[in-house]
Amino acid sequence: GAVVSQHPSRVICKSGTSVKIECRSLDFQATTMFWYRQFPKQSLMLMATSNEGSKATYEQGVEKDKFLINHASLTLSTLTVTSAHPEDSSFYICSARSGSPETLHFGNGTRLTVT
Amino acid sequence: AQSVTQLDSQVPVFEEAPVELRCNYSSSVSVYLFWYVQYPNQGLQLLLKYLSGSTLVESINGFEAEFNKSQTSFHLRKPSVHISDTAEYFCAVSGRSGNTPLVFGKGTRLSVIA
Repeated sequence: GAVVSQHPSRVICKSGTSVKIECRSLDFQATTMFWYRQFPKQSLMLMATSNEGSKATYEQGVEKDKFLINHASLTLSTLTVTSAHPEDSSFYICSARSGSPETLHFGNGTRLTVT
Repeated sequence: AQSVTQLDSQVPVFEEAPVELRCNYSSSVSVYLFWYVQYPNQGLQLLLKYLSGSTLVESINGFEAEFNKSQTSFHLRKPSVHISDTAEYFCAVSGRSGNTPLVFGKGTRLSVIA
């Protein structure tokens, strides 16, 4: 079946550095991917919608200059957390549809810890 | 826009007892409904989904959920829980048209007690 691969699964970085998270659709093309953020013991909050070949659409309250999204191909979207701070520590999850609206696939998530 | 309300943040239940996790949604358009399960430090796993047709949907591990349009609910039930069912459960909704994202509820922590 359709699979979404997310890398890395865990990353620890120092405050002030940038971290890139990759989301790949392995056996299908995804014109749109979604990025979510999950704080400990909380729900998944949509951060942005990534559109292949165009700018991402950010949800209200999400800083687009801090969370850079690049969807350069039909199988890859990247989220870069720039100048990371400890409060950016979170679980980031991407998702993509392989076809009809109900077929949404999730990556396994990336645990980001900023020290 | 859609929204989801999971009324219970935590549900403790004894092993082999029945459980119901409640979910209500709000939407101005027709929706698809989902339940996801998340085990500690892991990603999301789709448990079951309602797309159309029969309002009662079942998963392979004994869970079921019933879509009730008049009450805008999609409660999750299991007649007899196991220790291994301990996890976080998320109800989610998406619109049926276009490439809309899933909107998640806040989650319900199911703790099964031996």
